[in-house]
Amino acid sequence: GAVVSQHPSRVICKSGTSVKIECRSLDFQATTMFWYRQFPKQSLMLMATSNEGSKATYEQGVEKDKFLINHASLTLSTLTVTSAHPEDSSFYICSARRTVANTGELFFGEGSRLTVL
Amino acid sequence: AQSVTQLDSHVSVSEGTPVLLRCNYSSSYSPSLFWYVQHPNKGLQLLLKYTSAATLVKGINGFEAEFKKSETSFHLTKPSAHMSDAAEYFCVVTGDAGNMLTFGGGTRLMVKP
Repeated sequence: GAVVSQHPSRVICKSGTSVKIECRSLDFQATTMFWYRQFPKQSLMLMATSNEGSKATYEQGVEKDKFLINHASLTLSTLTVTSAHPEDSSFYICSARRTVANTGELFFGEGSRLTVL
Repeated sequence: AQSVTQLDSHVSVSEGTPVLLRCNYSSSYSPSLFWYVQHPNKGLQLLLKYTSAATLVKGINGFEAEFKKSETSFHLTKPSAHMSDAAEYFCVVTGDAGNMLTFGGGTRLMVKP
């Protein structure tokens, strides 16, 4: 099956610094990638949808200036948490879809746990 | 608009007994429905999906789900639970125009020896 790789799997940073998380589709071209945030013992919250070569579409309540998403190629999307604060600590998961159709299977990364001190 | 409700936040079963994880949905469009499993600190793995073909869908690891349009349900079942099935399970619906995905709140399955 298709593989989506996320890096880093764990990151600890100081408050005020920026952190970049990468999401790569290793063996397919992902026309669409999604970024989710998961709080402890809660479901996934969709943060934004990114299509290659265009600006990401953010969900209501998600600060686009704080969570910068770039989808520069068909195999790579990045999420940058700018000026991180302890409340940004969370588990971030990306997913990728091979096709535009809604019925296309999503492939998820392993997730990245961000801890902001 | 669409929504997904997983009726139980926690389900506990004994090893070897049947598993039932309930999911109800609402959608303005013909939905596609998915069940994903998430093990601790891991990403999500697709168990099975319904995309308007057969209403009884078989997935990996012995799981299956039946799409019941009249009941707007897509419950996940397994005849015999295994310890390795202990995880968080998410029911997901997609069907609106665009790439809209809606996740249920998740059901944590615990399997007792």
